[in-house]
Formats: sequence, structure tokens, C-alpha cells
Amino acid sequence: NAGVMQNPRHLVRRRGQEARLRCSPMKGHSHVYWYRQLPEEGLKFMVYLQKENIIDESGMPKERFSAEFPKEGPSILRIQQVVRGDSAAYFCASSAYGQDYGYTFGSGTRLTVV
Amino acid sequence: KNEVEQSPQNLTAQEGEFITINCSYSVGISALHWLQQHPGGGIVSLFMLSSGKKKHGRLIATINIQEKHSSLHITASHPRDSAVYICAVRGRSADKLIFGTGTRLQVFP
Repeated sequence: NAGVMQNPRHLVRRRGQEARLRCSPMKGHSHVYWYRQLPEEGLKFMVYLQKENIIDESGMPKERFSAEFPKEGPSILRIQQVVRGDSAAYFCASSAYGQDYGYTFGSGTRLTVV
Repeated sequence: KNEVEQSPQNLTAQEGEFITINCSYSVGISALHWLQQHPGGGIVSLFMLSSGKKKHGRLIATINIQEKHSSLHITASHPRDSAVYICAVRGRSADKLIFGTGTRLQVFP
């Protein structure tokens, strides 16, 4: 039973390009959360999704960022027209039933914008 | 002021020492988590607490809901315990975590 799988582990993008980060939750987990860790800062919530639904996107920047969790396949965090300030580690976590259950974290994707 | 505060920010110890990391929070919570993050690595969930005390190996986590405070203890510390330890809380109404800024622990042999 693999844990939460994130890929790629490292991603380098030039300014203006698009970044796609993937997260496959643990088997049986239908809740996915994305968190961002800026250099030398703590983790911050971005978005919470269940299959095919965005439940809470209060931490997502209003522009250029979007997330989805389709019925089939991994959750995708998409960043359009990346800027240097998007360079960060992006972590995905999954849980089975949300509120009353713990979370399992992925190893993160480290995005560098050059 | 951050909703979740950790102390100390940095901690060094000699192998074998007893370690305590503290976490205070200012919001109502449904659960508190202690996480471990190694340099360049992922995040491992150590404990999820809503009351009392939990123990796993050399790690002990306690929480006092009335005082809005939690502690993480490491007994007989070892260099492999060197990592960043992060306290995070889940609010009562929102299923998302609010994180402290972490405590960087270095244990020297």
C-alpha cells in the first residue's frame, strides 16, 4: 500500500511557463489537501478537494493557480505563468474521512522558477 | 500573532538528552498534530491528539485543551532525531491544518 505519491519530486520552470504538480492519494483516501512551504517559512493551506469537488480553496491565490481531483486519476495543482515567487515546496496530504482522521503526507514537489 | 506558536525555534542537544518542544495555539481545535520533516525530505505524521497523552517509542506527546498547549518530548535523543518538528492544529469548523513555523532540532553525538 504505497503512501501518498507526488510527482515530480523536483520541477524547474522558466518564468511564464506552466507547472503541473500531481498527487495520488493513498488507496481508499478520497480527501486531498495541498499545502505550500515557501523558503524559510512554515506550511500554508492552499486547497481541500474531494473527488470531483473543491471543498475549500480559501488558501489559493486568486490568479494563475487551480486545482482539480477528477473521478479517475491523481489530483493536479496547476500554476500558470509561473513567477519566481512561486518557487516553493508543494505538499499534498490525503485522508480517508476528513475531520476525524489523520493525514498522510507526500514527499512534496520542489518547484524552482528560473 | 500567529495562531500556532512553537518554542524554541532552534534546539541543539547532545545524544541521550531529554528534549521538549512546546506548542501553543489560540483557536478552538478538533485535533492537534505533531509532524516531522527531514532536510529535503517529506513530512511524516508523528501524532494526532485531541486530549491526554500518546506515546510511540521514544516520543511522547501531551495536550492540555484548557490551556491550549501541547508538548512533544523525545527521550534518549539520537542524532537521527535531527529534523524540523512542526505543530499543526485543525480547527473545529474547517478541515485544514494551521501550522506552526517549526522547531529545528539538531542532536550531536
